[in-house]
Amino acid sequence: EAQVTQNPRYLITVTGKKLTVTCSQNMNHEYMSWYRQDPGLGLRQIYYSMNVEVTDKGDVPEGYKVSRKEKRNFPLILESPSPNQTSLYFCASSRALGEKLFFGSGTQLSVL
Amino acid sequence: TQLLEQSPQFLSIQEGENLTVYCNSSSVFSSLQWYRQEPGEGPVLLVTVVTGGEVKKLKRLTFQFGDARKDSSLHITAAQPGDTGLYLCAGRGSGSRLTFGEGTQLTVNP
Repeated sequence: EAQVTQNPRYLITVTGKKLTVTCSQNMNHEYMSWYRQDPGLGLRQIYYSMNVEVTDKGDVPEGYKVSRKEKRNFPLILESPSPNQTSLYFCASSRALGEKLFFGSGTQLSVL
Repeated sequence: TQLLEQSPQFLSIQEGENLTVYCNSSSVFSSLQWYRQEPGEGPVLLVTVVTGGEVKKLKRLTFQFGDARKDSSLHITAAQPGDTGLYLCAGRGSGSRLTFGEGTQLTVNP
């Protein structure tokens, strides 16, 4: 089944403790992206990747890092999480930029 | 920054009623998409409209792109409880960047 898989689904952590949210897609998509969803703000793009080893900042990249060493994986790294990064995070992929986006099921992160 | 405003933010109706959700911007978009998101899941693409004035139908859902490609509407006829969800519009603008609206939370009561 074609899908975008995020892990974990839920994560509670404390300020400053490094964490990684994994994202994997099995559709051989070139484009991958991370979004955060907050009440009243909709989905905002954090980082995106056009292809392997090519990443770029979205609208809200501060406090986040990404890497794209393989086509299928696009992990989101929070080196020193802060409470304002408490949010619902979505990974998405598409065959190419501008084509249909497929979203993962989300990761609910709480930073205490 | 291109902004998309959706209205209403919340909508609670009875089964069988009709409704319209609006998505407005001062910016021109090359295309506009509508997504539906259910609790615990990611958004799922419903439709993409590309041409100004374009109308697309998906069963009881009718999507329209404004003539100037700055706004869009989603009309649902005879809403059913299964239509309950968060409806998001997203406009593709300069550099193919996708901008999402805040969403409309629709609840259809049986």
